[in-house]
Amino acid sequence: ELKVEQNPLFLSMQEGKNYTIYCNYSTTSDRLYWYRQDPGKSLESLFVLLSNGAVKQEGRLMASLDTKARLSTLHITAAVHDLSATYFCAVDGWETSGSRLTFGEGTQLTVNP
Amino acid sequence: NAGVTQTPKFRILKIGQSMTLQCTQDMNHNYMYWYRQDPGMGLKLIYYSVGAGITDKGEVPNGYNVSRSTTEDFPLRLELAAPSQTSVYFCASRPGTGNSYNEQFFGPGTRLTVL
Repeated sequence: ELKVEQNPLFLSMQEGKNYTIYCNYSTTSDRLYWYRQDPGKSLESLFVLLSNGAVKQEGRLMASLDTKARLSTLHITAAVHDLSATYFCAVDGWETSGSRLTFGEGTQLTVNP
Repeated sequence: NAGVTQTPKFRILKIGQSMTLQCTQDMNHNYMYWYRQDPGMGLKLIYYSVGAGITDKGEVPNGYNVSRSTTEDFPLRLELAAPSQTSVYFCASRPGTGNSYNEQFFGPGTRLTVL
């Protein structure tokens, strides 16, 4: 059974600081997704990582994937208040009845002025 | 494209009542999913479908039923509502195998309260 663990689960940081969210998973997969969820809203796709060594960047967020270590990171550079949200990683796993994503528990990020 | 749409947005049910949550996607995706998200928690998979006529259970299927008669629609049925089913329900879809990105898109959610 595929398990996905994120840490930290809660992160409070000051504006302008850098930090990294980690996503570990338990079985082989080369497809990983990052999502953002604002309070009371749905999940919005941030990044799709499809191979070992993949790196994607959008604004102050950068995501990377190391399939050998079964680890993805979401790095935040010079945080701003608008980045406050919950971030989920999700790993693609294959079942006999089709593929499905297994989600981490989410990291609730709060950026303080 | 409207993407993934869900109705209703909000609903209050009494214990023992039944209802159907509607989900439609216009992206011609093969795979569709139903999740629930309890307050402050992550997503739990209820049911999923890899194509019309094919459905399978997820982690928490008890108390729910689904059907998939068309590619576009994937309704979720609650037969005898219980307070434990108070949650936000998200429908999602993705293309399926053969698409390199296979990115999953979510609907806006249905907020359900059972009293």
